[in-house]
Amino acid sequence: QSALTQPPSASGSPGQSVTISCTGTSSDVGAYNYVSWYQQHPGKAPKLIIYEVTQRPSGVPDRFSGSKSGNTASLTVSGLQAEDEADYYCSSFAGSNIVFGTGTKVTVL
Amino acid sequence: HLQLQESGPGLVKPSETLSLTCTFSGGSISSTNFYWGWIRQPPGKGLEWIGNLYYSGTTYYNPSLKSRVTLSVDTSKNQFSLKLNSVTATDTAIYYCARRPTPGSGFDYWGQGTLVTVSS
Repeated sequence: QSALTQPPSASGSPGQSVTISCTGTSSDVGAYNYVSWYQQHPGKAPKLIIYEVTQRPSGVPDRFSGSKSGNTASLTVSGLQAEDEADYYCSSFAGSNIVFGTGTKVTVL
Repeated sequence: HLQLQESGPGLVKPSETLSLTCTFSGGSISSTNFYWGWIRQPPGKGLEWIGNLYYSGTTYYNPSLKSRVTLSVDTSKNQFSLKLNSVTATDTAIYYCARRPTPGSGFDYWGQGTLVTVSS
């Protein structure tokens, strides 16, 4: 299984929106509505921010939203804040396996 | 308050076996139908799924690591474990344990991670 493809970096000014893509195949992203997204700050464990494509765990701001079309999932962060600067990883269920994305570093300008 | 904590040697010699344990506190590892997983992250790189373990003992492994990985659970100690044999320097990484409510959901609780270095 190959890693899902994400852009290495994305950026935006405070208050703006940034969207990160996550491209897989018909065997993972395209096959299941089981895409999740994680936020990771330096030196910290990843934190789940989206699961099952669009669902937010309790406590995650509604500035974070997810979507999917075909083999590509997307994470949108609206109203960027300084604390949103972090690495973001997508992940997909792929039958009995799980595959992660390559990661995107989001910079708040 | 749910918590996961990894433990084990921080240094392993090449060709030997990496062994880590994850202790779950704040609940019983066998009381609900959760999956328990291991994920690793080489320094400065991305996340790699290693495998999942159902509380009953059923296992699911990353195909690229399957020949070297064994996951097991000890319900009496509320722990699950990872063994990775024949390690090389490319196995140097931060190893995380995590909980997954269903096969298709995300990992909702993570340990803080433990750095394992493979070096002689």
